[in-house]
Amino acid sequence: EVQLVESGGGLVQPGESLKLSCAASGFTFHDYVMHWVRQAPGKGLEWVSGISSNSDTINYADSLKGRFTISRDNAKKSLYLQMNNLRPEDTAFYYCVKDIGGVGWVLWNWGQGTLVTVSS
Amino acid sequence: QSALTQPASVSGSPGQSITFSCTGTSSDVGIYNFVSWYQHHPGKAPKLMIYEVTKRPSGVSNRFSGSKSGSTASLTISGLQAEDEADYYCCSYAGHSTYVFGTGTEVTVV
Repeated sequence: EVQLVESGGGLVQPGESLKLSCAASGFTFHDYVMHWVRQAPGKGLEWVSGISSNSDTINYADSLKGRFTISRDNAKKSLYLQMNNLRPEDTAFYYCVKDIGGVGWVLWNWGQGTLVTVSS
Repeated sequence: QSALTQPASVSGSPGQSITFSCTGTSSDVGIYNFVSWYQHHPGKAPKLMIYEVTKRPSGVSNRFSGSKSGSTASLTISGLQAEDEADYYCCSYAGHSTYVFGTGTEVTVV
């Protein structure tokens, strides 16, 4: 069974940094594209970033303006999101998501999410 | 990366069918058949209901169906049930390993 367990969320002040982690199990982690998706309170889902299986392709939502960095450690079966210069509008549930794999493009498996709150 | 457009809310009576749309552009929905639909209860993990426009994952009721015409995708829920109340989001692959979500539709069973 695929499991994606996010951690690292919490309360931070504007301008501070936070690093989210996602521990993966139940599938061959190094074979899959992985993503972060977030949902701010009262807002819709927003794709944040994605990383290819070997980290050679990385993309971000335009709105992030270079403040976030996605990475992965295939040996540790883990996905990360380094978030710098956090703003109140970054307050959201952050979900770790596994792509379908193969030739398709589907956000297939989701973690339960971790809550990031940016507030003074 | 503009969000796909969905109606804010749709309602129906138990047993009815409802259909709502997801309008994108020639850069996402219009060019890729990688449109998915997710059922979401806030604070929980979104549940994949439809993928690749029309396909249902194992375990999803056949009351849910998807379609696409041009740059507009649609989700139909037949035989509406109280348990179908939730927020629904469409999502399209947008090229270069990126995705774009819809604005979300709140489904209410009245």
